[in-house]
Amino acid sequence: DSGVTQTPKHLITATGQRVTLRCSPRSGDLSVYWYQQSLDQGLQFLIQYYNGEERAKGNILERFSAQQFPDLHSELNLSSLELGDSALYFCASSVGLGATGELFFGEGSRLTVL
Amino acid sequence: GQQLNQSPQSMFIQEGEDVSMNCTSSSIFNTWLWYKQDPGEGPVLLIALYKAGELTSNGRLTAQFGITRKDSFLNISASIPSDVGIYFCAGYSGGSNYKLTFGKGTLLTVNP
Repeated sequence: DSGVTQTPKHLITATGQRVTLRCSPRSGDLSVYWYQQSLDQGLQFLIQYYNGEERAKGNILERFSAQQFPDLHSELNLSSLELGDSALYFCASSVGLGATGELFFGEGSRLTVL
Repeated sequence: GQQLNQSPQSMFIQEGEDVSMNCTSSSIFNTWLWYKQDPGEGPVLLIALYKAGELTSNGRLTAQFGITRKDSFLNISASIPSDVGIYFCAGYSGGSNYKLTFGKGTLLTVNP
């Protein structure tokens, strides 16, 4: 158990819909990262937050947005969903800004868009 | 952007055999890491390497940070069935961009 909690574990929805994925980092970790894992693209970095502020942005679509709340939990919002958005979405956390590269991953949220 | 080439894509081995996988990059990294992902789980950090030439072990796992800083390898000795999973290399280049770049993974199957 990494200490990172993600909900929901599974989500099935239709194209055009909007979903919210939630992540609680390990106790004491200030950074939260979101990654997308698909079969053909592997693990793709989406976005990082540190203590409530956006720190780094990766290949995140404009239809996707995220935020980190004062209690340090984070939400990833996916809107106008397309079939290609079906993937595993992982949240990870680290103590600081992540300079060591040591991330702790949650178990993921599997999104299926029909 | 930065890309990591990880090989092989998959391996099928017998229990007890040794395994080797590697990762190469066209860019220099300051940190190399190896993660393992079990089915239905998130990646778990196995080994982190912070210095060129560094050789680090974690039980039956040994990893090295290449001298050129553009490659790394992971060896698993005397494989056991629970070694099954996907192994990812990841590189971190430092600076203000804290994102890790992941390889596409090596799927390891161990036949008992």
